[in-house]
Amino acid sequence: EPEVTQTPSHQVTQMGQEVILRCVPISNHLYFYWYRQILGQKVEFLVSFYNNEISEKSEIFDDQFSVERPDGSNFTLKIRSTKLEDSAMYFCASSEATWGEQYFGPGTRLTVT
Amino acid sequence: GNSVTQMEGPVTLSEEAFLTINCTYTATGYPSLFWYVQYPGEGLQLLLKATKADDKGSNKGFEATYRKETTSFHLEKGSVQVSDSAVYFCALSDRSGTYKYIFGTGTRLKVLA
Repeated sequence: EPEVTQTPSHQVTQMGQEVILRCVPISNHLYFYWYRQILGQKVEFLVSFYNNEISEKSEIFDDQFSVERPDGSNFTLKIRSTKLEDSAMYFCASSEATWGEQYFGPGTRLTVT
Repeated sequence: GNSVTQMEGPVTLSEEAFLTINCTYTATGYPSLFWYVQYPGEGLQLLLKATKADDKGSNKGFEATYRKETTSFHLEKGSVQVSDSAVYFCALSDRSGTYKYIFGTGTRLKVLA
């Protein structure tokens, strides 16, 4: 069964450093999403992406964040200068259609020290 | 705006007990509704879903019915097992925009042998 994959599973970085989280969505999916979950809290929407541009972003997704689909398979989330409060689990998701079910990856745990 | 409210946890039950986790939502239009499960250290797994009023989603003995009149989607299971111990998230798909998911705060379930 096709699945969304994410790398790395765990990333530790120092405050102020740039990080790139990688996702490989399901191959025939066209809509891509990033969510995050701060430890012990609910899952929050960050951004949606379609046709090589951002469709919608939340208030969390400020200028420090960017997304990119650099090739036909990867979907990345970049945090330019990490802060302690960026420590969270980041989930990538993809769907075949706007209204379709979103399939989530296993997540990348980001720890900012 | 759209939102999901879940009952506070943790919920502690004995094996074979009946489980109910309450979920209510606020939404414009007719969202799709989901239950996701997160086992310790793992990502989000879709447990069940319902896309229109009176639909019943079911999987692995869990059930939930989309009740438009009470704006609810309560999760039930007749006989829980220790292996059901996890965090359960109720979510809706926001059809007013990019169909991003809006999650509840999650309910931790602990089942004792």
